[in-house]
Amino acid sequence: GAVVSQHPSRVICKSGTSVKIECRSLDFQATTMFWYRQFPKQSLMLMATSNEGSKATYEQGVEKDKFLINHASLTLSTLTVTSAHPEDSSFYICSARIVHEQFFGPGTRLTVL
Amino acid sequence: KQEVTQIPAALSVPEGENLVLNCSFTDSAIYNLQWFRQDPGKGLTSLLLIQSSQREQTSGRLNASLDKSSGRSTLYIAASQPGDSATYLCAVRPVGSGTASKLTFGTGTRLQVTL
Repeated sequence: GAVVSQHPSRVICKSGTSVKIECRSLDFQATTMFWYRQFPKQSLMLMATSNEGSKATYEQGVEKDKFLINHASLTLSTLTVTSAHPEDSSFYICSARIVHEQFFGPGTRLTVL
Repeated sequence: KQEVTQIPAALSVPEGENLVLNCSFTDSAIYNLQWFRQDPGKGLTSLLLIQSSQREQTSGRLNASLDKSSGRSTLYIAASQPGDSATYLCAVRPVGSGTASKLTFGTGTRLQVTL
């Protein structure tokens, strides 16, 4: 299947700082990417849909000014958590779709101290 | 609003057993259904994709079926191995909305295969 990578895999930061997570489709071009958040022992929660060359579409309750999404190219989408707080600590997973099927990255574990 | 439920929530079986994981969804207007596995602290690995017009898909020891009219899918794992231990998630994609249509995930089944 297609490969989606994320970087970094793990990040620890101080409260108030910003953290950028990169999501890349390695062997295909993705016009649409998705960002999810997952809490321990829970299923994935969709945060936003990232469209190449246009603004992201955020799910209800997700602050667009806090979770900045940029989809600058067909192989790269970034999620920036601005002014991070401990409650933003979570597992963030990106995903990219090819035609019918959706592929997921390995996830990024964010810990805000 | 689509709701996806997976039963059981957790399952422990001895190695070698055949097992069935269940997924049910409330809105049958789906485009396709995907089964994923997730290992602890990892992302999701796509296992099988069933289009709405299909009844089943097979990959190795895995077989997934789809009964759209009754809102059910099953994932059959033959001759289970300890390496199959993971959380299994089903997800449905709705009809419409093009490439931006969103998956709705089930609650997951946590499988443990013991020696």
